[in-house]
Amino acid sequence: AQSVTQLDSQVPVFEEAPVELRCNYSSSVSVYLFWYVQYPNQGLQLLLKYLSGSTLVKGINGFEAEFNKSQTSFHLRKPSVHISDTAEYFCALISSSGGSYIPTFGRGTSLIVHP
Amino acid sequence: DTGVSQNPRHKITKRGQNVTFRCDPISEHNRLYWYRQTLGQGPEFLTYFQNEAQLEKSRLLSDRFSAERPKGSFSTLEIQRTEQGDSAMYLCASSLGGSLNTGELFFGEGSRLTVL
Repeated sequence: AQSVTQLDSQVPVFEEAPVELRCNYSSSVSVYLFWYVQYPNQGLQLLLKYLSGSTLVKGINGFEAEFNKSQTSFHLRKPSVHISDTAEYFCALISSSGGSYIPTFGRGTSLIVHP
Repeated sequence: DTGVSQNPRHKITKRGQNVTFRCDPISEHNRLYWYRQTLGQGPEFLTYFQNEAQLEKSRLLSDRFSAERPKGSFSTLEIQRTEQGDSAMYLCASSLGGSLNTGELFFGEGSRLTVL
């Protein structure tokens, strides 16, 4: 079985401060990893993904994430956040074996950026 | 707009009534997924289609739930004899299949169900 754990349900931060949203996963096989963002009243959209290759992945809106196989983590970071980054962030994984390609999502982390 | 479209966006119904949600995926996507999201939780997988074939169903999908994708284009999710526990946001997503599939899902804005 595979699972995704987002330990922080809410992360408050001041504008222009750095932020890290944590994601740990559990899987007995290799995985593909994703971060999605959900702005209020909008659908989820992809921020970035790790399929293979470089463990540091850059995404949209200045976000990046680092795949750490030994720590089974895929933490999301941004060096300086904006008010507009206030949203719900979801980490997800897909098992790379088998062909179903069905993502399993974490419970989400609410990023709240204060002025 | 060529994104994933879901209708209705909001549905309020009384317990015991049937409801149906529709999803129109991105036209060239042959995979279509249904997820359910409750407050404070991430999306939970319900079922997915490759073209018109329903290939996998979650244990969350009780026999009161049925999904179809008759011509491999739009899909419907019907809930019969609704219960208050069915209140949630129902999300539809689509993706490319086969060798073009990178795992990225494209989501609609969701259909919010409230069962009174």
